[in-house]
Amino acid sequence: DTEVTQTPKHLVMGMTNKKSLKCEQHMGHRAMYWYKQKAKKPPELMFVYSYEKLSINESVPSRFSPECPNSSLLNLHLHALQPEDSALYLCASSQGSSIYEQYFGPGTRLTVT
Amino acid sequence: GENVEQHPSTLSVQEGDSAVIKCTYSDSASNYFPWYKQELGKRPQLIIDIRSNVGEKKDQRIAVTLNKTAKHFSLHITETQPEDSAVYFCAASISGNQFYFGTGTSLTVIP
Repeated sequence: DTEVTQTPKHLVMGMTNKKSLKCEQHMGHRAMYWYKQKAKKPPELMFVYSYEKLSINESVPSRFSPECPNSSLLNLHLHALQPEDSALYLCASSQGSSIYEQYFGPGTRLTVT
Repeated sequence: GENVEQHPSTLSVQEGDSAVIKCTYSDSASNYFPWYKQELGKRPQLIIDIRSNVGEKKDQRIAVTLNKTAKHFSLHITETQPEDSAVYFCAASISGNQFYFGTGTSLTVIP
């Protein structure tokens, strides 16, 4: 399996809802990432997990809460989002250590109403 | 932190011509430079990368060059085809942790 998968593909949520995005990889990668991408812009790094521990949090608001239950799974819990949080949320993984190649999932298109 | 600049923001070429996209970076500690292609509505896909101990790398019609002294790297696509049309992002990374992306180049190949 050489893919990163993400569910759901699309999500519409209200500002009071709680939802979760899921990411999975079975390539044995030990680093996993969450990015946010707005239209016509580059991906913006949100969080990095390395060996299942949160190693980087790019000053992301607390309404976004990451979780890494095991080395294959990465979740992003969403609560009390704002309309400006609407974006494509991309998960990525890399092998870690000295192998840097990063592979992206297809993304979840999130709309906050 | 690292700052990556990318030029041009848009590029149109005739099919069969070459396309060149340039990026500069600010942090001399950056040692890994990937290029991603993103088609509309799809995920970024790694197309080629280069490490700081190498000056040039080629994969069929795609090549990347790196000038560490000047802190810039470039993507070269030869014999362009309509399916090369996409947004291309460069990135710089220190040891594969944080990846800093350029602002993207929208490439259009005109048949």
